[in-house]
Amino acid sequence: DAGITQSPRHKVTETGTPVTLRCHQTENHRYMYWYRQDPGHGLRLIHYSYGVKDTDKGEVSDGYSVSRSKTEDFLLTLESATSSQTSVYFCAIRVAGETDTQYFGPGTRLTVL
Amino acid sequence: GDSVTQMEGPVTLSEEAFLTINCTYTATGYPSLFWYVQYPGEGLQLLLKATKADDKGSNKGFEATYRKETTSFHLEKGSVQVSDSAVYFCALSDQGTYKYIFGTGTRLKVLA
Repeated sequence: DAGITQSPRHKVTETGTPVTLRCHQTENHRYMYWYRQDPGHGLRLIHYSYGVKDTDKGEVSDGYSVSRSKTEDFLLTLESATSSQTSVYFCAIRVAGETDTQYFGPGTRLTVL
Repeated sequence: GDSVTQMEGPVTLSEEAFLTINCTYTATGYPSLFWYVQYPGEGLQLLLKATKADDKGSNKGFEATYRKETTSFHLEKGSVQVSDSAVYFCALSDQGTYKYIFGTGTRLKVLA
């Protein structure tokens, strides 16, 4: 257990509404990641962060933004949710000194109607 | 860019059968390689890893060897159990950006 929590765990929202998902870690790891998991696609990187206020895009970043104002929190925002963003979202951290190993949170299931 | 290719699932086996899930990769440089397992309704858990050529990762009876010459990291287990039923993901890490690339996952179903 790498001390990662995600909130909310489940959310149903309507098309066009903004949504923010939160990832919280308790161990001050520098790198944090947001992925989405969809059938047939595995995990795809949305955005990642390598420090406070330092973020970069992944392969499926369109329609998503992130913020990291504190080491322990990494927020993922859907500015205007669409049905194509219905997915399971996972946060992860990278543990330095352990050969680049990632540890994952429990996931957030988001449904956009 | 870097990529990971896994065999298509689902894979259905009887208990105590031998398991192989194939994984090949393309990468510039020398990535670390990983297998993760995902049980229903849960996040991914690290199963095993290898950091350089010829390294063998092992855990819970599962093994995988980092083969640079064939760019492969196949997952094996000598005798599967019903409790091994899950989705297995192969992944690599980019040493320069610390981004991770995942395969599409292979669902394993073990029948009693």
